[in-house]
Amino acid sequence: EVQLVESGGGLVQPGESLRLSCAASGFTFSTSWMTWVRQAPGKGLEWVAHIKQDGSEKYYVDSVKGRFTISRDNAKNSLYLQMNSLRAEDTAVYYCARGLQLLHWGQGTLVTVSS
Amino acid sequence: DIVMTQTPLSSPVTLGQPASISCRSSQSLVHSDGNTYLSWLQQRPGQPPRLLIYKISNRFSGVPDRFSGSGAGTDFTLKISRVETEDVGVYYCTQVTQFPYTFGQGTKLEIK
Repeated sequence: EVQLVESGGGLVQPGESLRLSCAASGFTFSTSWMTWVRQAPGKGLEWVAHIKQDGSEKYYVDSVKGRFTISRDNAKNSLYLQMNSLRAEDTAVYYCARGLQLLHWGQGTLVTVSS
Repeated sequence: DIVMTQTPLSSPVTLGQPASISCRSSQSLVHSDGNTYLSWLQQRPGQPPRLLIYKISNRFSGVPDRFSGSGAGTDFTLKISRVETEDVGVYYCTQVTQFPYTFGQGTKLEIK
């Protein structure tokens, strides 16, 4: 059974940093593109970033470029999202998903940016 | 960026009756590899999204056959042949043909 479990969310002040993790199991992590998608409270979905199987290619939505960094550790079957210079508009549930076609999703982790 | 426009934004449906959601893209979703990367997601209340349909019309594993997808180019449709209680939620179309990948606004399916 495929499982994706996000962690690392919480309440932070504007300008602070947070690192999200996603632990994957039930599939061959090292052969899958991986994606972060976020959903602001009561709003729709927004693609954040995705990363190639070996980490050699990374793509970001413009609103997070230069502030967020996606990475992965295939030995640990884990995906990460380092979020720096957080803003109020980054407040959302962050989901990790398998592949570019979003085959499987985690339950999400809530990030709240507020003073 | 490719804009995905869904209609309607809200759809009250009677149990056992069909439902249909439309998704229109601002540009063709045909990729240079010949595939059209248009997917449909379902998000039940309080749950993460889940994949229903990929590449226009392919049902993902475990998805009931009452769900079907169709379309081409810039116009796509998700159909539910007979709505059941468990189908209540928000449905999103999404394109992964051209980065930045984008989602529709979502269509809320509710029971009359």
